Amino acid sequence: SQTIHQWPATLVQPVGSPLSLECTVEGTSNPNLYWYRQAAGRGLQLLFYSVGIGQISSEVPQNLSASRPQDRQFILSSKKLLLSDSGFYLCAWKSSGAQGYTFGSGTRLTVV
Amino acid sequence: SQQGEEDPQALSIQEGENATMNCSYKTSINNLQWYRQNSGRGLVHLILIRSNEREKHSGRLRVTLDTSKKSSSLLITASRAADTASYFCATDSSNYQLIWGAGTKLIIKP
Repeated sequence: SQTIHQWPATLVQPVGSPLSLECTVEGTSNPNLYWYRQAAGRGLQLLFYSVGIGQISSEVPQNLSASRPQDRQFILSSKKLLLSDSGFYLCAWKSSGAQGYTFGSGTRLTVV
Repeated sequence: SQQGEEDPQALSIQEGENATMNCSYKTSINNLQWYRQNSGRGLVHLILIRSNEREKHSGRLRVTLDTSKKSSSLLITASRAADTASYFCATDSSNYQLIWGAGTKLIIKP
């Protein structure tokens, strides 16, 4: 079956510390992968998407970066977190022919 | 950028009543999708309606699409407490990304 794993569920990090959030999918190959951020009570803001290994497209200039070292692995990183990086981060995937996107359970990041 | 705009921002109804949420968008689309998000969780895909479709049903859900008005509505019939969640519309205008609205927060009172 097709599943998506995202971890950790919650994370509290000090300003200036590095970040690494990982997302992996199972049961599909060559999916489109996405990182979104959601501010409290708001919609989703697309941060990065990837259509293949090593292919990353960035939607907004920011303090974050993404990598796709394997077909079913998508990583969101930062070298130095800012307070404004706090939010709810969601990983999602979509395969060709799928009706909609499948989301991970999200990571609540609080930068203190 | 946010293309979809849901209306209302919040909706509170009694259990058993019907809930209607609306979504407006600005550009031409391939399809429009509705998602549900329980508090603090990921989003769950509910239904997709293509640009050449006008109405679609899935269980207690009914979605309509009016491309001339660039709007869609989601109707949940016979609401239940478990329907309490935020509902988002998202438009697909390309192969790679969706444009999301800010969502409607639905509260079902027992």
